[in-house]
Amino acid sequence: KQEVTQIPAALSVPEGENLVLNCSFTDSAIYNLQWFRQDPGKGLTSLLLIQSSQREQTSGRLNASLDKSSGRSTLYIAASQPGDSATYLCAVGTEGAQKLVFGQGTRLTINP
Amino acid sequence: EAQVTQNPRYLITVTGKKLTVTCSQNMNHEYMSWYRQDPGLGLRQIYYSMNVEVTDKGDVPEGYKVSRKEKRNFPLILESPSPNQTSLYFCASSPVYSGNTIYFGEGSWLTVV
Repeated sequence: KQEVTQIPAALSVPEGENLVLNCSFTDSAIYNLQWFRQDPGKGLTSLLLIQSSQREQTSGRLNASLDKSSGRSTLYIAASQPGDSATYLCAVGTEGAQKLVFGQGTRLTINP
Repeated sequence: EAQVTQNPRYLITVTGKKLTVTCSQNMNHEYMSWYRQDPGLGLRQIYYSMNVEVTDKGDVPEGYKVSRKEKRNFPLILESPSPNQTSLYFCASSPVYSGNTIYFGEGSWLTVV
C-alpha cells in the first residue's frame, strides 16, 4: 500500500529565503507525482506535475525533483514571498490504482 | 474558463436527511473523482469514474453513492448522512487518469449534526 509522507508538517521562514519541502513515498511504481497548493478554505491548485520518467520540473520560482529509486521528491521555492504562504501537498499517482495518494501536507508561512 | 464546480459549498444538515453534492466540469474530461479531507487523515478517495456509466470504489466508499450519467457531471450522494461524514469534500477531474494534471473543485464543507 502506497504511503506518502511530508516533512516538516509546518515551516515558518522570513521573506526572501530559499526553501525546500520534502515528500517521500513507499512504492516506487508510480505514474507521476504532483505538487499542489491549498489556501485556507480553497481547493487544490496543481503547481507541478512530474511524470515517472522525468527527474524534475520547473515553473517560475518553483522547482520539483523526483527520485523514484529512493522514493523522494522535493519542492524548491526560490526567493519566498508572503503570498507563498499556504499548505503544500504532495500526491502520487500509483500504477494500477486510479487515484492519487496524498501526503498530509506542509503548512508554509512566509513572514514579511 | 476551465473549472470544476461543486455545490453546495457549505452545508449543515441533520443525521439521516439525504443530500447530494453536485460536481460539474467544463473541460470534457473522462476521469472524475471524489475525495474527502479530514484533519490528521489527509485526502482520501471516495469514488471515481473513468467515463460515463463507469464508476468504482475508492478507499472510503461506505455511506456514499455516485452516478455518472453525463460526462460533465458526477454527483456524490449521501443517502443517510451520519456525523462521521462531516468533512471537506473535493471533486476532481482530468482528461484520462494517468499522466495528466488533475483539476480540483473548491471544496464543499459538510457538517452533519
